[in-house]
Amino acid sequence: KQEVTQIPAALSVPEGENLVLNCSFTDSAIYNLQWFRQDPGKGLTSLLLIQSSQREQTSGRLNASLDKSSGRSTLYIAASQPGDSATYLCAVANYGGSQGNLIFGKGTKLSVKP
Amino acid sequence: DGGITQSPKYLFRKEGQNVTLSCEQNLNHDAMYWYRQDPGQGLRLIYYSQIVNDFQKGDIAEGYSVSREKKESFPLTVTSAQKNPTAFYLCASRKGISTDTQYFGPGTRLTVL
Repeated sequence: KQEVTQIPAALSVPEGENLVLNCSFTDSAIYNLQWFRQDPGKGLTSLLLIQSSQREQTSGRLNASLDKSSGRSTLYIAASQPGDSATYLCAVANYGGSQGNLIFGKGTKLSVKP
Repeated sequence: DGGITQSPKYLFRKEGQNVTLSCEQNLNHDAMYWYRQDPGQGLRLIYYSQIVNDFQKGDIAEGYSVSREKKESFPLTVTSAQKNPTAFYLCASRKGISTDTQYFGPGTRLTVL
């Protein structure tokens, strides 16, 4: 059974720092891996989607990498801003009978201090 | 604007009552999903539907029911059999291909009084 783990559970950094969020998964048979952002009391916003054949994706100050063989992904945020404060969720889409359903980690709660 | 709408935003239920959460999408997506989120937890899949008039149970379907009579709509009923229904409920949709991203609605917070 696929399990997704995110470390750390919470992170507090001063504004301007570069930071890395980590995600690991136990089964490498995936279609893709996604990073989402969730603000308090809100729905999820998709940040980056990495297909299983890809190594990384970039969007603005965000860069996500995928190492399928080791079951790891990282989300790199450059020059962090207070507006980046949110919970970041990692999810993988599994092969097989689950029809690509997403399995989520518990998230990393990020706080960027001005 | 294309997107997913959920209503109501907040819902209060007395014990023993059934309540229905609405989810509508105008993205012309084939697949729709219901998730439950508890504090400090990741999302857990309740039910999903890949096509109209067909749906499958997710990991925590007990005490919930769904219908998919129209492509645009996927309502979730929380029945009295669900012992701990207080949670944040999120609806999502996807075009239908497993490699596509899922798009999420704003959520409904259900509280049992």
